[in-house]
Amino acid sequence: GQSLEQPSEVTAVEGAIVQINCTYQTSGFYGLSWYQQHDGGAPTFLSYNALDGLEETGRFSSFLSRSDSYGYLLLQELQMKDSASYFCAVDGSNTGKLIFGQGTTLQVKP
Amino acid sequence: DTGVSQDPRHKITKRGQNVTFRCDPISEHNRLYWYRQTLGQGPEFLTYFQNEAQLEKSRLLSDRFSAERPKGSFSTLEIQRTEQGDSAMYLCASSRSNVQGNEQFFGPGTRLTVL
Repeated sequence: GQSLEQPSEVTAVEGAIVQINCTYQTSGFYGLSWYQQHDGGAPTFLSYNALDGLEETGRFSSFLSRSDSYGYLLLQELQMKDSASYFCAVDGSNTGKLIFGQGTTLQVKP
Repeated sequence: DTGVSQDPRHKITKRGQNVTFRCDPISEHNRLYWYRQTLGQGPEFLTYFQNEAQLEKSRLLSDRFSAERPKGSFSTLEIQRTEQGDSAMYLCASSRSNVQGNEQFFGPGTRLTVL
């Protein structure tokens, strides 16, 4: 089967740093994506890692280790607006279809 | 606004009725995906189009579900003989092939409630 595991909830305070981990088990692997979804909203793309290493985009960074089937999303200088659900997703075929994890709800407190 | 639109945004129907949803992707995107999301879960892949060709369907998709993308532009998803278990958010996403990364642009979704 194919599965992605990520923590269900994370809580942090404004200004802090939080790391959301994701481990995956899929039959194929092209890359690991991260999406943000606010309540009632659509998922929006944050990052994509196809190769091992760290990708940085502003306050957000994403890491991938293909040998460990593991990645994480790092959010720095947390703001209240970062309160949302975060999903890791694998595209395991050349169709680009995404297999999503169950999501991590991040609550940022003042 | 990602540029992907879906209609209707909400649909309430009675069990056994047929419903049809529409998705208008970003115009230059040749790839189109349908996903379903229930509360507290991640989106679940339903089907994939490259241009007008439906190239993949999830094994979870029963024969009550059908999707089309007649001219490689907009797409429709029809559910026949709806069941209460079909209640979910139906998301459409589009992207371009042969670009670095796999950024998919999601529409706002159609929330289906089956009574």
